[in-house]
Amino acid sequence: KQEVTQIPAALSVPEGENLVLNCSFTDSAIYNLQWFRQDPGKGLTSLLLIQSSQREQTSGRLNASLDKSSGRSTLYIAASQPGDSATYLCAVSGDNYGQNFVFGPGTRLSVLP
Amino acid sequence: EAGVTQSPTHLIKTRGQQVTLRCSPISGHTSVYWYQQALGLGLQFLLWYDEGEERNRGNFPPRFSGRQFPNYSSELNVNALELEDSALYLCASRRGPSELFFGSGTQLSVL
Repeated sequence: KQEVTQIPAALSVPEGENLVLNCSFTDSAIYNLQWFRQDPGKGLTSLLLIQSSQREQTSGRLNASLDKSSGRSTLYIAASQPGDSATYLCAVSGDNYGQNFVFGPGTRLSVLP
Repeated sequence: EAGVTQSPTHLIKTRGQQVTLRCSPISGHTSVYWYQQALGLGLQFLLWYDEGEERNRGNFPPRFSGRQFPNYSSELNVNALELEDSALYLCASRRGPSELFFGSGTQLSVL
C-alpha cells in the first residue's frame, strides 16, 4: 500500500527566502507525481506534474524534482512572497492503484512580510 | 476552457437528510474523483468514476454513493446525513493518467 508523507508539517519564513518542501513515498512504482497548493476552504490548484520518466519540472519560481528510486520529491520555491502562503500537497499516481491518487498530508507555509 | 465546476458551493442540511452534490469535469476528461476534506484534516478519497463505471471506492459507508453520466458529469449522494459529514467535498477530473484538476468544492454543513 502506497503511503505519502510530507516534511515539514508547517513552515514559517520571512519574505524573500528560498525554501524547500519535501515529499516521500513508499512505493517507487509510480506513474507520475503532482504538486498542488490549497488556500483555506478552497479547492486544490495544480502547480506541477512530473512524469515518472522525468527528473524535474519548472514553472516560474517553482521547481519540482523527482527521485523515483529513493521515493522522494522536492518542491523548491524561490524568492518567497506572502502570496505563496498556503498548504502544499504532493500526490502520487500509479497503475498499481488503479490510476488512483494518494495524497500527502501537506505542508502549511506562511511567508511573513 | 472551463475548469471543473461544482454545485452548489455551500449547503446546510440537518441530520438524517439526504444531499446531492454535482460535478462537471473539464471537457474531454473521462475520469472523475470525489474527495472529502473535514476541517483541519487531509483529503480522504471517496469515489473514482471512469467511462461511466465506478472504478474504486474509499473507506466510506454505503450511504455515500454516486454515479457518472454519459456526458461524464457526476453526482455524489449522501444519505442519512450525520454531523461528522460536515466537510468540504472536492471533485477532480482528468483524462487517463494525466494531470489532475480540482473544482472549488462544495462546503457542506450538517446541523
